[in-house]
Amino acid sequence: QKEVEQDPGPLSVPEGAIVSLNCTYSNSAFQYFMWYRQYSRKGPELLMYTYSSGNKEDGRFTAQVDKSSKYISLFIRDSQPSDSATYLCATELGLGGNTPLVFGKGTRLSVIA
Amino acid sequence: GAGVSQSPSNKVTEKGKDVELRCDPISGHTALYWYRQSLGQGLEFLIYFQGNSAPDKSGLPSDRFSAERTGGSVSTLTIQRTQQEDSAVYLCASSMREGQGNQPQHFGDGTRLSIL
Repeated sequence: QKEVEQDPGPLSVPEGAIVSLNCTYSNSAFQYFMWYRQYSRKGPELLMYTYSSGNKEDGRFTAQVDKSSKYISLFIRDSQPSDSATYLCATELGLGGNTPLVFGKGTRLSVIA
Repeated sequence: GAGVSQSPSNKVTEKGKDVELRCDPISGHTALYWYRQSLGQGLEFLIYFQGNSAPDKSGLPSDRFSAERTGGSVSTLTIQRTQQEDSAVYLCASSMREGQGNQPQHFGDGTRLSIL
């Protein structure tokens, strides 16, 4: 079983829709959770960075972590064509400092105008 | 620029040749990571440098892969005797470590490596 599972999509939604992206993870020792956005031929860009269970909001983006069920989500409100990209979830052990990230395979999102 | 810089952006080489990929981290970032992104495999960790500590090489797929970080800044990833399965995008990331706190990793745009 891969440590982080993510549905690769593709996911296609109309402009203005609410998008829900999800990942599950297997290692309960993971402490940090991230969402990255990656445009074609570009590196991953950090969107959200969270530590504990609960919600974190930044503009149209909300990250949600449920450690009890090992489930992480990203919600995008009022989706725009510019949101079309691949979204990567990532986790980190973070034992006393930085450690390598473990990524899901990414979900490709298309927002249609 | 203020971001992570990688060079070259694209590299095409023949099977069996050696290649060197370069990463310039964000100024002041003490941690540097190399990842590989290939179709169907997603992003996979290769090697990690933190300050003057010995690097964590646990993700390197074979002894053909090695990396150095000189002066705590620039890093070079070397692949010897390249194989076709080495074709992928090689991504570098850096982060700042403040005390015992965790800091997010910031990525460069990668080097797209193609082995003919």
